Amino acid sequence: EVQLVESGGGLVHPGGSLRLSCAASGFTFSFYWMTWVRQAPGKGLEWVANIKQDGSEKYYVDSVKGRFTISRDNAKNSLYLQMNSLRAEDTALYYCAREYSGSSYFDSWGQGTLVTVSS
Amino acid sequence: IVMTQSPVTLSVSPGERATLSCRASQSVSSNLAWYQQKPGQAPRLLIYGASTRATGIPARFSGSGSGTGFTLTISSLQSEDFAVYYCQQYNDWPPWTFGQGTKVEIK
Repeated sequence: EVQLVESGGGLVHPGGSLRLSCAASGFTFSFYWMTWVRQAPGKGLEWVANIKQDGSEKYYVDSVKGRFTISRDNAKNSLYLQMNSLRAEDTALYYCAREYSGSSYFDSWGQGTLVTVSS
Repeated sequence: IVMTQSPVTLSVSPGERATLSCRASQSVSSNLAWYQQKPGQAPRLLIYGASTRATGIPARFSGSGSGTGFTLTISSLQSEDFAVYYCQQYNDWPPWTFGQGTKVEIK
């Protein structure tokens, strides 16, 4: 069974940093593109970033470029999102998701980790 | 690409048919997925390729359309189907974009 478990969320002040992690199991992690999707409270889904199997390609939504960095460790079956210079508008539930194939849809999702940016 | 869903809220009685629409600002071919999200839960993939049901999805869910116009139909609503539904395009990226969602509520 595919499992994705996010961690690392919490309350952070504006301008602060946070590192999210996603632990994957039940599939061959290194075979898949992986993605972060976020959902602000009471709002819809927003794709944030994704990364190719070997980490050689990464893409970001414009609003986080230069502030967020996606990475992965295939030996540890883990996905990460380093978030710097956080803003109030980054407040959201952050989901880790598996892409069926590169440039595709998201066929498995974690339960999310909540990031709150507030003073 | 901007994805626009309608209606924002759909009130339907159990056992009735629900029809949800998703429109793309430019053609996405058949590179369109639908997700279901229940309160407090992660989204779940329902449909990909505009019309292919994901593993384990009941046959009462069907998708159609191509280009810029798409439809998700739930043939006979069950109690567990009341949720928010999102469409997502994966034809032209980045970014991968979602619609704003349609909430299906009990009438």
